[in-house]
Amino acid sequence: AQSVSQHNHHVILSEAASLELGCNYSYGGTVNLFWYVQYPGQHLQLLLKYFSGDPLVKGIKGFEAEFIKSKFSFNLRKPSVQWSDTAEYFCAVGSGNTGKLIFGQGTTLQVKP
Amino acid sequence: ETGVTQTPRHLVMGMTNKKSLKCEQHLGHNAMYWYKQSAKKPLELMFVYNFKEQTENNSVPSRFSPECPNSSHLFLHLHTLQPEDSALYLCASSQDPIAGGSGEQYFGPGTRLTVT
Repeated sequence: AQSVSQHNHHVILSEAASLELGCNYSYGGTVNLFWYVQYPGQHLQLLLKYFSGDPLVKGIKGFEAEFIKSKFSFNLRKPSVQWSDTAEYFCAVGSGNTGKLIFGQGTTLQVKP
Repeated sequence: ETGVTQTPRHLVMGMTNKKSLKCEQHLGHNAMYWYKQSAKKPLELMFVYNFKEQTENNSVPSRFSPECPNSSHLFLHLHTLQPEDSALYLCASSQDPIAGGSGEQYFGPGTRLTVT
């Protein structure tokens, strides 16, 4: 069965620190990969996605993620976080030919001003 | 963002009540989803509808009954719920990959359900 694992459950950083959130998945076929963000009191929004091509994808608000096929990973990064990045971050994996997404358990990021 | 709307936003119901959650998408998508989001747990996929047909029921108890009258509307009918069913219920839509879509899902704001 497909599964998605996010290693960090709760991350606390100071502003301007660098961020990397881990995401690993188990699925042997073609995958589409997503990071969603949920700001406090708001709905889930797409941060970035990977379908094919360049494994380094750039999303909104300075976020990027790198797909490493050999490691089944899709880690999220940002060089310098801001207080407004405080939110919950979800990694999700979809198989290539269905619309079904499997989500990780989420990582709560708290950025201290 | 008004692509996917959900009503009501908050709902408190007793265990013997019957209520319904409504979801509407204005994006022209052909797939719709119900998820349950509980604290400290991953989003749990409940139901999937493609072109109004249910294609997935993720072992959801029968006290949750979905209905999809057309590609734009999705309901979740609730009856005789338990306190552990209290959670945020999220609706999402997408363009089905089989129909040429990317599979990217767009989420509504959710209904915060409390069962007393």
